[in-house]
Amino acid sequence: KAGVTQTPRYLIKTRGQQVTLSCSPISGHRSVSWYQQTPGQGLQFLFEYFSETQRNKGNFPGRFSGRQFSNSRSEMNVSTLELGDSALYLCASSRIAGDSYEQYFGPGTRLTVT
Amino acid sequence: AQTVTQSQPEMSVQEAETVTLSCTYDTSESDYYLFWYKQPPSRQMILVIRQEAYKQQNATENRFSVNFQKAAKSFSLKISDSQLGDAAMYFCAYKDSNYQLIWGAGTKLIIKP
Repeated sequence: KAGVTQTPRYLIKTRGQQVTLSCSPISGHRSVSWYQQTPGQGLQFLFEYFSETQRNKGNFPGRFSGRQFSNSRSEMNVSTLELGDSALYLCASSRIAGDSYEQYFGPGTRLTVT
Repeated sequence: AQTVTQSQPEMSVQEAETVTLSCTYDTSESDYYLFWYKQPPSRQMILVIRQEAYKQQNATENRFSVNFQKAAKSFSLKISDSQLGDAAMYFCAYKDSNYQLIWGAGTKLIIKP
């Protein structure tokens, strides 16, 4: 079974530009979550989608947005990039299986803003 | 709001020995999930073990086991027979009812050969 895939793996952008990151979940997983990881702030929740609906959003400015498609693939977009947006962006797919909850992560996208 | 605390920024252990990583959390919920994730230098976040709060039995996955104390809100990870490949950052995480993971700050585990 293929794992969670994220593209691109690395990205370098300039301040003021926008960027779109993509995440393909594990087959059968309908929930996709996004997290930002930085040395200073650690891991922070961005948003979570289930069946194309955003169910929860973290405390990030409106420049951060996302969406989910009918095949469960998800994208997140960051507009007007700032230096502080440099981070590892992790995507996770999850499902409830029986009486358990499974969540697995992709390899991440390393975004550098110059 | 829920919080997760890992009080050990760094731990070291001799290869083949046992080490325990600590995690405490704060919540008013009764049903939730707890996780330990491992993040090696490759930055891939790897699920190590999970625990459902309604289960009294501690989860075990091969050399990894947890000591889940619900009343004390404690969730420690024990690694037996430590191997060089266990070296990584270890994160404790709590899944709340709003579909998000709340993360601890992480513990860097060093394995001494």
